Amino acid sequence: GENVEQHPSTLSVQEGDSAVIKCTYSDSASNYFPWYKQELGKRPQLIIDIRSNVGEKKDQRIAVTLNKTAKHFSLHITETQPEDSAVYFCAASQGGKLIFGQGTELSVKP
Amino acid sequence: GAVVSQHPSWVICKSGTSVKIECRSLDFQATTMFWYRQFPKQSLMLMATSNEGSKATYEQGVEKDKFLINHASLTLSTLTVTSAHPEDSSFYICSAPRGETQYFGPGTRLLVL
Repeated sequence: GENVEQHPSTLSVQEGDSAVIKCTYSDSASNYFPWYKQELGKRPQLIIDIRSNVGEKKDQRIAVTLNKTAKHFSLHITETQPEDSAVYFCAASQGGKLIFGQGTELSVKP
Repeated sequence: GAVVSQHPSWVICKSGTSVKIECRSLDFQATTMFWYRQFPKQSLMLMATSNEGSKATYEQGVEKDKFLINHASLTLSTLTVTSAHPEDSSFYICSAPRGETQYFGPGTRLLVL
């Protein structure tokens, strides 16, 4: 089955700096790669996603890149703000079933 | 946007009892729903795929006799944790797809004493 690895597990940045989180997946049949932000005790919130026929997608301060050949995808957050502090999860999906990475706890220090 | 609800939001029960959690898609129909479990400071782990009108599909290592799933209608899936034990204490979250996007319920926090 699909296996998703996510790094780093924790990330601390200064406000205004960029943050990058990386994921790799194992199943080349996976074709949809969402990223979620989860605050403590809350449900995951979709922040951006990318499909396998696209290499890059950007939404304001957030961007995602996908390298299908290498089976890895990354989340880039620019101009980080304290409210970006949360746990971020990548996921890989085929047929709707989401397999999540281990999560990255992002801390943005004012 | 699509809305998914879960009930109850939290439950405390005694060891050995069964607990039922409901997941509803409020404004769309879902022939498939998914159940996840999340332990503190860990990721979401897919437990099973709930299929309307047929048996659920369980992930490897998930006991189907312990975690009973019923997809009674196009808007309702239930997860019953049977004979719950303290190690079943966790955050249970369902999701329902609309297109490729998964919409998550708010989660149910289960504490087994």
